[in-house]
Amino acid sequence: AQRVTQPEKLLSVFKGAPVELKCNYSYSGSPELFWYVQYSRQRLQLLLRHISRESIKGFTADLNKGETSFHLKKPFAQEEDSAMYYCALSGDNQGGKLIFGQGTELSVKP
Amino acid sequence: EPEVTQTPSHQVTQMGQEVILRCVPISNHLYFYWYRQILGQKVEFLVSFYNNEISEKSEIFDDQFSVERPDGSNFTLKIRSTKLEDSAMYFCASSQTGIHQPQHFGDGTRLSIL
Repeated sequence: AQRVTQPEKLLSVFKGAPVELKCNYSYSGSPELFWYVQYSRQRLQLLLRHISRESIKGFTADLNKGETSFHLKKPFAQEEDSAMYYCALSGDNQGGKLIFGQGTELSVKP
Repeated sequence: EPEVTQTPSHQVTQMGQEVILRCVPISNHLYFYWYRQILGQKVEFLVSFYNNEISEKSEIFDDQFSVERPDGSNFTLKIRSTKLEDSAMYFCASSQTGIHQPQHFGDGTRLSIL
């Protein structure tokens, strides 16, 4: 079965603390993994994807095929990072549908 | 930067009525999608559309749902006879190509069925 799991509904940290948002997936083929972010009153927007291996706004994510994980990390959280974060998977199907996790709300306190 | 636009932002409809949600994808994109998010739940895939036909649909996308690209710019989702459980946020998305490509999302339409 194709599934994306984000175990934490809410993650609350203080400014300057490290952040790790967990994502595990279940997929039998070769998926592409994404992190999308939704800031308050804004649309879902792409944060990063595993294939590009880049750091966006200080966030990184490494695909661990052995553990089927794609955790999102940032060494020093900022208040403007407060948002809803969704991990998503795109499979081998030509249609390109995204399978989303439940989302994790990140709250960064001053 | 080009954006996906959705109208209306909020639609209130009586149960059993037909509703059409509208989307204008990014102009050079070829793949179009609808997703929905029931309050408190995850974003769920409904349907993908390419080359003027459905390329994939979920089990949610039953006979009450249809999609159409009536002209070169609009992409619509129609629900023929709405049910209370159709109340949700509906997101349109588009991408340049399909497989493994990032999708660009609209702001969503909040559909409330009374």
